[in-house]
Amino acid sequence: ETGVTQTPRHLVMGMTNKKSLKCEQHLGHNAMYWYKQSAKKPLELMFVYNFKEQTENNSVPSRFSPECPNSSHLFLHLHTLQPEDSALYLCASSQGAGRLDGYTFGSGTRLTVV
Amino acid sequence: RKEVEQDPGPFNVPEGATVAFNCTYSNSASQSFFWYRQDCRKEPKLLMSVYSSGNEDGRFTAQLNRASQYISLLIRDSKLSDSATYLCVVMRGSQGNLIFGKGTKLSVKP
Repeated sequence: ETGVTQTPRHLVMGMTNKKSLKCEQHLGHNAMYWYKQSAKKPLELMFVYNFKEQTENNSVPSRFSPECPNSSHLFLHLHTLQPEDSALYLCASSQGAGRLDGYTFGSGTRLTVV
Repeated sequence: RKEVEQDPGPFNVPEGATVAFNCTYSNSASQSFFWYRQDCRKEPKLLMSVYSSGNEDGRFTAQLNRASQYISLLIRDSKLSDSATYLCVVMRGSQGNLIFGKGTKLSVKP
């Protein structure tokens, strides 16, 4: 596999459920990111990991919990979400800060909270 | 003031037209700039980086005006396949993260 792979592609969960989103990159990048894209809003940066260390948490509620076990894998653990958390969750990776080449995105997980 | 601002459109143009999108950014310390393209219900994909001297890639030309904190994208000879949302993206600082505009929607009609 190549590029950035996200699973699942679609997820419907109740407000009391616990689920996890998975992201895997095969590009040899050392930085990984979670973004949220809601309707009619710009992409919002949630978390940044550089060499497995979290370097940014953009005031994200604690019901979202990221995990980065190694430079190739990134998870987003979800629990007690709200309906307004329904959105497209995009994972991205970059080589370093991505100054020259920007970021490569996965296809996203479309999350619906019911 | 939003960090990255774009006209949301939509821009409805006929095939073959030339269309230009503009974007302004608020952080004068921003160092890197990009245009991404996002098709409906798909992930954003890098269209082109924007260099200080301006750069061209086929029918696409990107310009940067640091003094005015303004970025533009020009598409010549529009194709139906150019229909998408174009995202202006700014890197916060020299080691910062990518900040996305809301995007400008382009619809190219036959």
